[in-house]
Amino acid sequence: AQTVTQSQPEMSVQEAETVTLSCTYDTSESDYYLFWYKQPPSRQMILVIRQEAYKQQNATENRFSVNFQKAAKSFSLKISDSQLGDAAMYFCAYRSGGSQGNLIFGKGTKLSVKP
Amino acid sequence: DGGITQSPKYLFRKEGQNVTLSCEQNLNHDAMYWYRQDPGQGLRLIYYSQIVNDFQKGDIAEGYSVSREKKESFPLTVTSAQKNPTAFYLCASSPWGQGPETQYFGPGTRLLVL
Repeated sequence: AQTVTQSQPEMSVQEAETVTLSCTYDTSESDYYLFWYKQPPSRQMILVIRQEAYKQQNATENRFSVNFQKAAKSFSLKISDSQLGDAAMYFCAYRSGGSQGNLIFGKGTKLSVKP
Repeated sequence: DGGITQSPKYLFRKEGQNVTLSCEQNLNHDAMYWYRQDPGQGLRLIYYSQIVNDFQKGDIAEGYSVSREKKESFPLTVTSAQKNPTAFYLCASSPWGQGPETQYFGPGTRLLVL
C-alpha cells in the first residue's frame, strides 16, 4: 500500500522569505501523480501544484515550485516570497496513475507566516 | 456561481442517532467523494461515486452510508454504528475520467457528538 509522510507538523517563515515543506512517499508503482493542497483557515481545500511521475522537470506555479526526487521518493514544496495569505495547512497527496485512483494524503504541515 | 455546497456547517449528534450530511454540486461533475478529516490527520476517503446509482467504499466506510440518486447530490449518513463520528467532513466532486486531482471541495461540515 502507498503511504505519504510529512515529517514537519509545523513550520514558520518570515514574510518575503522562502520556505520548503517536505514530503516523502512510498510506492512500488511507476505511474503516479503527486500533489500539494492548501487548506486555509476557511478549511476549503485548494490544489496548489501537481507533478506527474514520468516528467523529470519540476512543476512550477508562480511562487510555488516542487523538488521532485523520484529515486529518493521525495516531493518537497518551495514557497518563494512568502505572503501572509500563504499561512495554512499544506497537504501532500499521492494518486496512482489509473484514471480513477484515489488520493492518499499526508498528515499535513501547518505553515505560519510572520510579518 | 458554480460550486459545491455542504450543509449544515455544524451538526450535533446524540448517542444512537443517525445524521445526514448534505452535499450538492452544480458543476455537472459525474464523480463525487466524501472525506473525513481528524485533527493532525490528512483526509481519509469514506465513499465515492463515479455515476448516478453507483458508489464504492473508501478506506474508512464502516459506520457510514451514502446514496446517489441524482447527479447533483451525494448525501452521507453517519449511522449509530460509527462510534467516533466527531470530525470535519469534506465533500468533493470531479469531472469523469480526469481523476481526483481535479477535485473541487466544498466548505465542509463539522460533526460533534453531544
